[in-house]
This record gives sequence, C-alpha cells and structure tokens, in this order.
Amino acid sequence: QKEVEQNSGPLSVPEGAIASLNCTYSDRGSQSFFWYRQYSGKSPELIMSIYSNGDKEDGRFTAQLNKASQYVSLLIRDSQPSDSATYLCAVNYGGSQGNLIFGKGTKLSVKP
Amino acid sequence: DGGITQSPKYLFRKEGQNVTLSCEQNLNHDAMYWYRQDPGQGLRLIYYSQIVNDFQKGDIAEGYSVSREKKESFPLTVTSAQKNPTAFYLCASSRLAGDLREQYFGPGTRLTVT
Repeated sequence: QKEVEQNSGPLSVPEGAIASLNCTYSDRGSQSFFWYRQYSGKSPELIMSIYSNGDKEDGRFTAQLNKASQYVSLLIRDSQPSDSATYLCAVNYGGSQGNLIFGKGTKLSVKP
Repeated sequence: DGGITQSPKYLFRKEGQNVTLSCEQNLNHDAMYWYRQDPGQGLRLIYYSQIVNDFQKGDIAEGYSVSREKKESFPLTVTSAQKNPTAFYLCASSRLAGDLREQYFGPGTRLTVT
C-alpha cells in the first residue's frame, strides 16, 4: 500500500517566522512530489513541485527532497497570516497513469 | 483564461437520485481526474482518464460512473448505489508528457444528499 504521511497539526507559527512542513512517503520508486495549499472550503492550489534531490526555491517557498530518506518538506519563510491553510503533500509513484497519492494535510496557522 | 470549471458549486439531492457533476477544462490537458474529499481526509481518486473514450477506476469507483466523449469534458455521475455520497468533489487535469505531470484542480462541487 503506497502511503503519504503528514503531521495533521495544527502547526502554529508567529508572523514572520519560518514554517516547516514535512511529508514522508513509502515507495522508493516515487518520481515527483508536489505541495498544494488548500484554504478552508476551497480547492487545492499547486504551489511547488520537485523531482530532484535537493532544494527548489520559489519566492518565500522552498521545497526540499531527500529520496534516500523518503522525505520531502516545504519551508515557508516570512510567514504571513494569509499563509494559514492546510498544506497537502502529493507523490507521483510513477508508471503510465501519472496518478498522485495525497497525504491528509497539515493545517498551518500563522498568528499576527 | 485557461482553467478548469466545475458546476454547480453546491448541489443538494434526495437519497436515491442520481446526480451528474460537470467538469470542463480548456488547458488542452490529456488527463483528467475525479477525487472525493471528506472532512479531515486526504483526496481519494474515483476515476481518471488519459484519452478520449477511455477511463480507469481509481481507489473508490463503486457507486460512480464517468464518460469522456470530448477531451475537454469529464462528467461524473454519482449514482444511488453510492452509500455515502455527501462530500466535496474535485476535478483535476494534467498533461501526460514530462516528468512532473502536475495536476491542477477546479473549484470543486460540494454535494449534499439527504
């Protein structure tokens, strides 16, 4: 059973701090990894994708991938109250389908 | 604007009725997907399609049906056989080429069955 695990939170950080969100996955054959942000009552929005080991930065967001440890993380620098949302980790295990397995999400709360 | 549209945003039905949820995309994506999200749960795949006139069952296909007659459209029917149909339904699409195969979501349809 392919799984994606996330701490459900809530993770609470003060405004301006770095928020660190973590995700582990079960299958070493995984090829690509995604972070989605989902505001309450809304649909998920893709914010980062990564498929090579190391860091990938986009504005205040940095995705980190360590395939040996089967671990992917998302760092949010200078956190803002508008970053308060649930963050979903998704993993593409490869194959022809391109299907994703989603974690249950981590709820982030950024306090002013 | 390119994107994915779902309609309606909210849908209310009586138990025993079939209901069809609409999903349209103008991103020229080959693949389309239907997910279901329940409170506190991750997204679960219902059906997916990689090409017109072809679709595959996901993890929780029982009680659902789909069609893919056009590349742009992938409607989902929730039948009376679905035991717990009340949920947030999300449609997504992606290219099939490339390493990442990023999926993009529509705004969702919230279905309530009483």
